[in-house]
Amino acid sequence: GAGVSQSPSNKVTEKGKDVELRCDPISGHTALYWYRQSLGQGLEFLIYFQGNSAPDKSGLPSDRFSAERTGGSVSTLTIQRTQQEDSAVYLCASSLEAADTDTQYFGPGTRLTVL
Amino acid sequence: GNSVTQMEGPVTLSEEAFLTINCTYTATGYPSLFWYVQYPGEGLQLLLKATKADDKGSNKGFEATYRKETTSFHLEKGSVQVSDSAVYFCALPRSGGSYIPTFGRGTSLIVHP
Repeated sequence: GAGVSQSPSNKVTEKGKDVELRCDPISGHTALYWYRQSLGQGLEFLIYFQGNSAPDKSGLPSDRFSAERTGGSVSTLTIQRTQQEDSAVYLCASSLEAADTDTQYFGPGTRLTVL
Repeated sequence: GNSVTQMEGPVTLSEEAFLTINCTYTATGYPSLFWYVQYPGEGLQLLLKATKADDKGSNKGFEATYRKETTSFHLEKGSVQVSDSAVYFCALPRSGGSYIPTFGRGTSLIVHP
């Protein structure tokens, strides 16, 4: 079956512009996660959705970042007024359910470059 | 919260050499432990996991044993191949009862023919 897909694969934008990144999780997966991977850094957790529960936004670095998940499936991560330090690879992952033993399935990522 | 420390890379080996990538953790209780791998140009994928102390996870010739005495989950492979060149991430839930993993910084492995 299809894995996690993300679009676009690459995005180049100018400082101050808004961007939207999309994630399509694996069908039937109730948990969805966004991470940021900067050069030479590990994965930084951003936000987590589980079913219809309120998302865990504790990892969002500033109020310029927001995300939504419509219908329990597709998710969009929005970055407003982008800054150069936002340049990174944004990874989305989904899992069947929220369990600490659960395997996460990652998408290929969106590489964001802010000029 | 829980945390994980990995050895810094890059680790450079010749084909058929023995591999060890060290991972130690700090955690409340005995959470599940994971190794993920990221091949060039691809997303992360689970390599192996262990869900309780003393378990051994294995996959594709890689092994890691959950050792609570030393709070370690070192990744090993007896004979690496060029195709194993990738970045390896150790991970565990970020706190007791959390479903959100925290990842190490990753260790880059480069295998030469």
